[in-house]
Amino acid sequence: SQQGEEDPQALSIQEGENATMNCSYKTSINNLQWYRQNSGRGLVHLILIRSNEREKHSGRLRVTLDTSKKSSSLLITASRAADTASYFCATDGGAQKLVFGQGTRLTINP
Amino acid sequence: DAGVIQSPRHEVTEMGQEVTLRCKPISGHNSLFWYRQTMMRGLELLIYFNNNVPIDDSGMPEDRFSAKMPNASFSTLKIQPSEPRDSAVYFCASSSSTSGTDTQYFGPGTRLTVL
Repeated sequence: SQQGEEDPQALSIQEGENATMNCSYKTSINNLQWYRQNSGRGLVHLILIRSNEREKHSGRLRVTLDTSKKSSSLLITASRAADTASYFCATDGGAQKLVFGQGTRLTINP
Repeated sequence: DAGVIQSPRHEVTEMGQEVTLRCKPISGHNSLFWYRQTMMRGLELLIYFNNNVPIDDSGMPEDRFSAKMPNASFSTLKIQPSEPRDSAVYFCASSSSTSGTDTQYFGPGTRLTVL
């Protein structure tokens, strides 16, 4: 079964708007990561947040982690057409390997 | 710096044929991962190596799949014999950490089609 599950499965917004994606997981984690995948390409690491952190920023990205609710969110501010991609969360779930969710497909309309 | 390199980028083969996928990790990285991505099952870890030693191969579907890492700069994933259900995109990733759960850097993938 998937450790991390993203919500929504698909999101379509206008350029310049903010995009928020959520990830829920089932077991305790040491860290949670977000990756981006453009169509036909490999995954690109965006950000890693550790279990003792609550929020992390990287450029236009903001990630929050709520371990009590076993959930994380990825916020992309001032979206651009180039942000169109699938976004995945990945968790360790106590095992020595990452488990990826099914992803959120984000479409930015010009 | 060069990222993770995979070859071939596309492979079309017929059922029953042997397929070999190749990966060159980022120089200096200690861990290497093979993943498979399909619409139905998403991204699945097949096997990962740490300092060229297989650590977890529990994701390898069956005996038809095998992976080797003869040295720190090269790994192969072999499918013999191939079946149509093996059609997927196969990704190789590497990490500078010996942990299987730190940041991973993915290659562009090999799109495999088995007819």
